[in-house]
Amino acid sequence: GQNIDQPTEMTATEGAIVQINCTYQTSGFNGLFWYQQHAGEAPTFLSYNVLDGLEEKGRFSSFLSRSKGYSYLLLKELQMKDSASYLCAVWEGNTPLVFGKGTRLSVIA
Amino acid sequence: GAVVSQHPSWVICKSGTSVKIECRSLDFQATTMFWYRQFPKQSLMLMATSNEGSKATYEQGVEKDKFLINHASLTLSTLTVTSAHPEDSSFYICSASPGSEWNEQFFGPGTRLTVL
Repeated sequence: GQNIDQPTEMTATEGAIVQINCTYQTSGFNGLFWYQQHAGEAPTFLSYNVLDGLEEKGRFSSFLSRSKGYSYLLLKELQMKDSASYLCAVWEGNTPLVFGKGTRLSVIA
Repeated sequence: GAVVSQHPSWVICKSGTSVKIECRSLDFQATTMFWYRQFPKQSLMLMATSNEGSKATYEQGVEKDKFLINHASLTLSTLTVTSAHPEDSSFYICSASPGSEWNEQFFGPGTRLTVL
């Protein structure tokens, strides 16, 4: 079976740092994605991790631990425009992506 | 590069009518296209996977006779919601993959369907 867990909602202050966690249990693993989705819009790609460790890309970083079935997305210097849903998705290999339910992040002043 | 378009962006229709949604890959050939549905405050739910020139593979619980998918060319897939009902109102999103690597997916902007 497939199981991907993320917190449902988070709130953080403008300028702060927030970490969104994702744990997964899947029959196979060939990589983990993070997507950002603003309300009423399609998801946009943020990151892809296939090896353990931290991938940094500007204000966003993504971490993966394959042995622990765990990933997090780190957002620094939060801006109001970062208010969105963040989707964790696992690629098992030879199958479509499996999406988590998403974490709704609200950035407040 | 890697742009996917959808048409229409939004549609309102009467119950019982059929609605066709187009998904196009504008600057690449899409071997595989995916159709998702998303209800408010919920995650993307994969409906079906379509490969050019072959029948779509539907996920469990998705009625293939209600949601007709045609992947007629390497740049176009269509989803037809037949005999739409209010419970079919949702956000429909397609994505396209340019090659055999399933990790490359580019999403369309989505289509908001409202059935009255």
